[in-house]
Amino acid sequence: GAVVSQHPSRVICKSGTSVKIECRSLDFQATTMFWYRQFPKQSLMLMATSNEGSKATYEQGVEKDKFLINHASLTLSTLTVTSAHPEDSSFYICSYPDRVGEQFFGPGTRLTVL
Amino acid sequence: GIQVEQSPPDLILQEGANSTLRCNFSDSVNNLQWFHQNPWGQLINLFYIPSGTKQNGRLSATTVATERYSLLYISSSQTTDSGVYFCAVNSQTSYDKVIFGPGTSLSVIP
Repeated sequence: GAVVSQHPSRVICKSGTSVKIECRSLDFQATTMFWYRQFPKQSLMLMATSNEGSKATYEQGVEKDKFLINHASLTLSTLTVTSAHPEDSSFYICSYPDRVGEQFFGPGTRLTVL
Repeated sequence: GIQVEQSPPDLILQEGANSTLRCNFSDSVNNLQWFHQNPWGQLINLFYIPSGTKQNGRLSATTVATERYSLLYISSSQTTDSGVYFCAVNSQTSYDKVIFGPGTSLSVIP
């Protein structure tokens, strides 16, 4: 299956700063990938669908100006949390689907906003 | 949109015991996957099983698409099986979107 990496694995930042999270597919190219958010003791919630070369599609309730997604190539997508606040603290995970639609997930990024 | 339910929400097993986890979904699906989330948060692919039965070691899964459910069987459980098990589906109406169930939290005690 596809191998997906994320960087950084953990980040602590001050309120008001912006944080960029990278998601790379190491052995597979995909025009579409997904960003999820997971709060403690909860399931994964889809935030947005990232499309290579075009604008991302955001789920209802997710602010596109706050969570900036850039899918610059078939193997790299970035999520930038702008002007982060404590309520944005969460576990952010990306995924790539392979040719048959099986999803492969990155190891996640744990964001803590002080 | 499609609704995904999982049962039980929590499960405690003695090491060596067997268990069955269930996933119900409210609409027809194209894909269904089972994942194990380990204590570090990594999602590990267990099965890609839109229909039929698959086995991998002590784990097996069955999806009955016409009745909109899937089962994950864990036999001879080990402490390393502890974690959260998620079922995730792609509905036929929202093909690209993967929707997760709420998960089953499993604790295997020695």
